[in-house]
This record gives sequence, C-alpha cells and structure tokens, in this order.
Amino acid sequence: ETGVTQTPRHLVMGMTNKKSLKCEQHLGHNAMYWYKQSAKKPLELMFVYSLEERVENNSVPSRFSPECPNSSHLFLHLHTLQPEDSALYLCASSLALSGSGYEQFFGPGTRLTVL
Amino acid sequence: AQSVSQHNHHVILSEAASLELGCNYSYGGTVNLFWYVQYPGQHLQLLLKYFSGDPLVKGIKGFEAEFIKSKFSFNLRKPSVQWSDTAEYFCAVTKRGSQGNLIFGKGTKLSVKP
Repeated sequence: ETGVTQTPRHLVMGMTNKKSLKCEQHLGHNAMYWYKQSAKKPLELMFVYSLEERVENNSVPSRFSPECPNSSHLFLHLHTLQPEDSALYLCASSLALSGSGYEQFFGPGTRLTVL
Repeated sequence: AQSVSQHNHHVILSEAASLELGCNYSYGGTVNLFWYVQYPGQHLQLLLKYFSGDPLVKGIKGFEAEFIKSKFSFNLRKPSVQWSDTAEYFCAVTKRGSQGNLIFGKGTKLSVKP
C-alpha cells in the first residue's frame, strides 16, 4: 500500500452514533491534515498535526475530535453529528508543514452521510 | 482573512483549444501557490507549485502557471487541451512560514469535448 489511505470509504451514521475515520500515510511524512469538502464550497481545513502535535484547529465543533497517535496515523472521532456534517472528509500529509512550500498528498476521502 | 477566488465554475472546451483558468488570492504577504487537479474518481493530486524563483512554473501534463505578484494572481494555462484533461482544478495558497493552513478556491470544473 502506498500513498495516503483512508477507511472507511463510505460511512452512514445516525446523529447519536459514535464513529471514527482513519487515515494512514506510507510516505514518511511528518505533517497530517483533515479537510472537509462540501458541495459548492472550498475545501475547509479542519486540523493540522506536525510531529504528532496539533498545530492548527480552525474553529471546528467539538463533535469532531482528532487523534494522531504517531506520524503515520490520523483519526477523526465523530459523535453526535448533525446532517449538515455530511460531506467528503479528506486526509492529507506532507513532508513538513506546507508553509515551507511542501506539497500535500491527499487520500481518496471518506464520504460521510449523517441521517 | 485569506481567500482564493477561482473565477470560472465550469469551463467547457473542445479538444485542442487553449485553456486559462484564473486564480486570485487576497493575502498581501509572501505566499506559496499550488494548483491541484482531481480527475473523475481519483484523489486530489498536485499539478504544479510556486515557491520562489521563476514566476513561470511548469507542471505535469503540459500545464503551466504564472505568478504575477502585482495582480495577486496565479493563472493556470495549457496551450492545447485533451479529453483526458477533463477534471476539477483547485488553486490553493499558503502563507510562507505558516503552520500549513492551505486555503483552497472553490474549484473549476473543466469539461473537454472530444
């Protein structure tokens, strides 16, 4: 397996469920990101991790909780979501933070539907 | 706040036509600039980037982009498109030295008719 992988690829959950999205990168990168992609809106950066420490949190509701146990794995824990949270959730990684010019490599995304 | 504007939501071209997709950003400081492409059913992938040096940047598949600092622009060009260029194109900007907050435009969908 190469690049950035995400599981599951599709997820349907009720508003009272708790679920987790998983991202794994096989590139030896030190920075990882979560994005939300909604229809007709720009990609929204949610969280940034560098060397397993969170460095950016763009005013994301607490019902989204990230976890980065090591530099290869990133999780997004979901609980009591709302229907408007339905979107494509993308994970990305880069060798170092993109402010230094490093490109981000994206995974295929998890299509989340909240009923 | 930083923002990125992509002027065209959907562009339809015939094969061999020339392409120019506009991108303007609002940040006044030093920036890194990127164009990403998403082919149908595939991941977002980097097309090209500007970090420093020559403002005319060449990327994969014959694409190029020109950084014009005075116009806050980073337009994407290709002299002759192919059907396989049908995809969605995203311009993105990050502030130099920042934590990595990559700001994306809304994207431009390109449809190339064979």
